[in-house]
Amino acid sequence: EDQVTQSPEALRLQEGESSSLNCSYTVSGLRGLFWYRQDPGKGPEFLFTLYSAGEEKEKERLKATLTKKESFLHITAPKPEDSATYLCAARAGGTSYGKLTFGQGTILTVHP
Amino acid sequence: SQTIHQWPATLVQPVGSPLSLECTVEGTSNPNLYWYRQAAGRGLQLLFYSVGIGQISSEVPQNLSASRPQDRQFILSSKKLLLSDSGFYLCAWSHVGIEQYFGPGTRLTVT
Repeated sequence: EDQVTQSPEALRLQEGESSSLNCSYTVSGLRGLFWYRQDPGKGPEFLFTLYSAGEEKEKERLKATLTKKESFLHITAPKPEDSATYLCAARAGGTSYGKLTFGQGTILTVHP
Repeated sequence: SQTIHQWPATLVQPVGSPLSLECTVEGTSNPNLYWYRQAAGRGLQLLFYSVGIGQISSEVPQNLSASRPQDRQFILSSKKLLLSDSGFYLCAWSHVGIEQYFGPGTRLTVT
């Protein structure tokens, strides 16, 4: 069974304090690892797609990396507006409809 | 650019009442469409997906059903709501192999 596990469940940072979120996955033939940001009461907002180990993508203060077993979302010098729930999802091979398996999310709070 | 709409934004319904949630996508054609439910503090659970008009597949047995009467319209329904149907319902679209884009969601409370 495909599984995606995120850690920690919650993370509190001071503004400017860099850190990383972890996403461990067990899927058959990874076809994509996706990161989303979700603000309270809203739908998830797409951030990144990673396809192969060693790949990295950056957007402002966020950088996503991928290994054969996990993905990290690095947050450099975070600001309060980076506070949100961050979700990762994996797509396994063999699905014709693009099914994603989601982790439970990491709730990030950045204090000024 | 593509846009996805969901309505209503919030809904409070009594147990045993019917349900109809609607999702429409603009700016793309023949998308894959998905319905998810997100319980408080939990991840997203895929309920239904559709790869074309009239084609619906269910991921989990439940009290809900889905329909796709038009290429860019996806409807989630129930004949009789249960308390356990409460949650945050999200519609998403994608093209195969590419990321999914989510709508704003509908908050359903069954009382």
